[in-house]
Amino acid sequence: GENVEQHPSTLSVQEGDSAVIKCTYSDSASNYFPWYKQELGKGPQLIIDIRSNVGEKKDQRIAVTLNKTAKHFSLHITETQPEDSAVYFCAARDSNYQLIWGAGTKLIIKP
Amino acid sequence: EAQVTQNPRYLITVTGKKLTVTCSQNMNHEYMSWYRQDPGLGLRQIYYSMNVEVTDKGDVPEGYKVSRKEKRNFPLILESPSPNQTSLYFCASTTPSSNEKLFFGSGTQLSVL
Repeated sequence: GENVEQHPSTLSVQEGDSAVIKCTYSDSASNYFPWYKQELGKGPQLIIDIRSNVGEKKDQRIAVTLNKTAKHFSLHITETQPEDSAVYFCAARDSNYQLIWGAGTKLIIKP
Repeated sequence: EAQVTQNPRYLITVTGKKLTVTCSQNMNHEYMSWYRQDPGLGLRQIYYSMNVEVTDKGDVPEGYKVSRKEKRNFPLILESPSPNQTSLYFCASTTPSSNEKLFFGSGTQLSVL
């Protein structure tokens, strides 16, 4: 079955710098890869997603890239701001159309 | 307001005492799911339901039960809770027209003593 690994588990960056979180997946048939942001005390919220027919997708300061050959995808956040501090989860859809989640990355934005 | 509502937010119980965590959504979503979140393990799916009266096991279903008698409700039942079920639980829902976006509840922190 599908397995998703996410790195790093914690990432600390200076405000204004960029942050990159990486995920790898095992099932080459996976074709949908969302990223969710979880703020303290809340449920995860979708921030961006990408499908396997696209290599990159951007939405303002966030972008996701997908390398199907290497089976990895990454979240890029530019010009980080204090409100970007949260836990970020990547996921991949398996053959049963269910999401398999990474372990999460705690992003800390230092003032 | 469109939302997924879970109750209770916090629950402390003792081993073996049956409990139910409720989940309700007001968006007429067909799909609903339960996850548990544990440090270092991310979100793991317990059960999911594609529609009324249809439920399927996720990755960690042992010790849990669910039912989907109505479209809006998807309760999670722990018949005999054990300490290893201490966790943060999330309910989520979606529908094909939402382009696969999952809508999550605010979570239920369960402690089993």
